[in-house]
Amino acid sequence: DIQMTQSPSSLSASVGDRVTITCQASQDIKKYLNWFQLKPGKAPKLLIYDASNLETGVPSRFSGSGSATHFTFTISSLQPEDVATYYCQQYDYIPKTFGPGTKVDI
Amino acid sequence: EVQLVESGGGLVQPGGSLRLSCVASGFSISSYGMNWVRQAPGKGLEWISYISSSGSIIHYADSVKGRLTVSRDNAKNSLYLQMKTLRVEDTAVYYCARREDVWGNGTTVIVSS
Repeated sequence: DIQMTQSPSSLSASVGDRVTITCQASQDIKKYLNWFQLKPGKAPKLLIYDASNLETGVPSRFSGSGSATHFTFTISSLQPEDVATYYCQQYDYIPKTFGPGTKVDI
Repeated sequence: EVQLVESGGGLVQPGGSLRLSCVASGFSISSYGMNWVRQAPGKGLEWISYISSSGSIIHYADSVKGRLTVSRDNAKNSLYLQMKTLRVEDTAVYYCARREDVWGNGTTVIVSS
């Protein structure tokens, strides 16, 4: 199975700050990486697919980059509504493994 | 509005069975592969199953293989997850998802004596 790691596991930042999360895959997954936002009691929300493509309707302050084994997720200007846990997920191989998540606080 | 609504969760004893349903509205599931994903209390997301649009391709996570069975009824625009021989560690919120872009709000399964 592909192992996904994320760092940091949690972070606290101020409104307006630039926030970066990294995700590493245990082997080459090409561009097949999603980023999700998860808030308590709500459905997971797809933010980024194919490593760098912004899902329709998602604010442009969210972005993703990377390929192969190293990926980055960025919030360019953190907003109060961005408090959530963020997960990466590879979908190149079965099982479609998730990273352990990064909890973002203000 | 494109929507998925899960149901069928509840409290069940270890070794018991449960059948989850996921009804789609606003789109036809017949064009999409569908996933089941779960989140145990205090834990992260875990992908557990995928079924292709026709139902001809099915995959499971090792943690549920042989105990959970995914199926679909495209005519009813519905996805199902038959769960048997449930374990305490199957306690989780279960989500269905259209590929990975549309998710339901989840249904809670508690396995406890």
